[in-house]
Amino acid sequence: GENVEQHPSTLSVQEGDSAVIKCTYSDSASNYFPWYKQELGKRPQLIIDIRSNVGEKKDQRIAVTLNKTAKHFSLHITETQPEDSAVYFCAASPYSGGGADGLTFGKGTHLIIQP
Amino acid sequence: DGGITQSPKYLFRKEGQNVTLSCEQNLNHDAMYWYRQDPGQGLRLIYYSQIVNDFQKGDIAEGYSVSREKKESFPLTVTSAQKNPTAFYLCASSFGGRSTDTQYFGPGTRLTVL
Repeated sequence: GENVEQHPSTLSVQEGDSAVIKCTYSDSASNYFPWYKQELGKRPQLIIDIRSNVGEKKDQRIAVTLNKTAKHFSLHITETQPEDSAVYFCAASPYSGGGADGLTFGKGTHLIIQP
Repeated sequence: DGGITQSPKYLFRKEGQNVTLSCEQNLNHDAMYWYRQDPGQGLRLIYYSQIVNDFQKGDIAEGYSVSREKKESFPLTVTSAQKNPTAFYLCASSFGGRSTDTQYFGPGTRLTVL
C-alpha cells in the first residue's frame, strides 16, 4: 500500500517569512495530492490540491509543487500570518482502476508563526 | 463542509460496549469514508464506501463495522473487539468514487473509553 512521509514535524517561522513543508510518497500509481489544514479540535480543511497531470498550482499565498519522478510534493506558504498557525497534513490517493480507495496521510506538520 | 454532520460530538464508552457513530451528508456525494486520528499519527482509513450497499476495509478495519443502506448515511460501529478505541473519528465524503475527487470532512466525534 501507499506510504506518505512528511517533514518537518514542527516548523517555526517569523511572521512574514515563508514556510515549506515536504512530503514523499511510495506508490507511483498515486494521482491526487491534497493538503489539509487542521486547527486544534476542528475538522481538516482542504487548502489546496494537485493532480498528477500538473507540476505546480498556486492560490494566493499558497502553492504546491509535484515531482512525479522523485515522488515528492511540497507546500509553500509565503508572507506567513498568525492565522496560518495550525497543523498541516499532506495526503496521497492511489489509483486502483478508477475507484477511490481513500487517502493516505502524512503524520502532520505543526506550523508555528512567531510574531 | 457544512453538509456533513457527525453525532455525537463527544462520546464516552465503558469497556466491553459497542457504540455507533453517526455520519450524514446532504451533498449528494456517492463516496463516504471513515478515518481515525490519534495524536502525532495523522489520519488513518478505517472503512470506505463508493456506492450504496457496498463498502471496503481500509488500513485499520479490525474491531470496526459499517453499513451503507442509504446514500446520505454511513454509520460506524466501534465494537468491543477494538482494543484501543479512544480517538478522534472523522467522516468524509466525495462527489464521486474516483481517486481524484476531493474529500470533505465532518466535524468529528471524540470517543473516550472509560
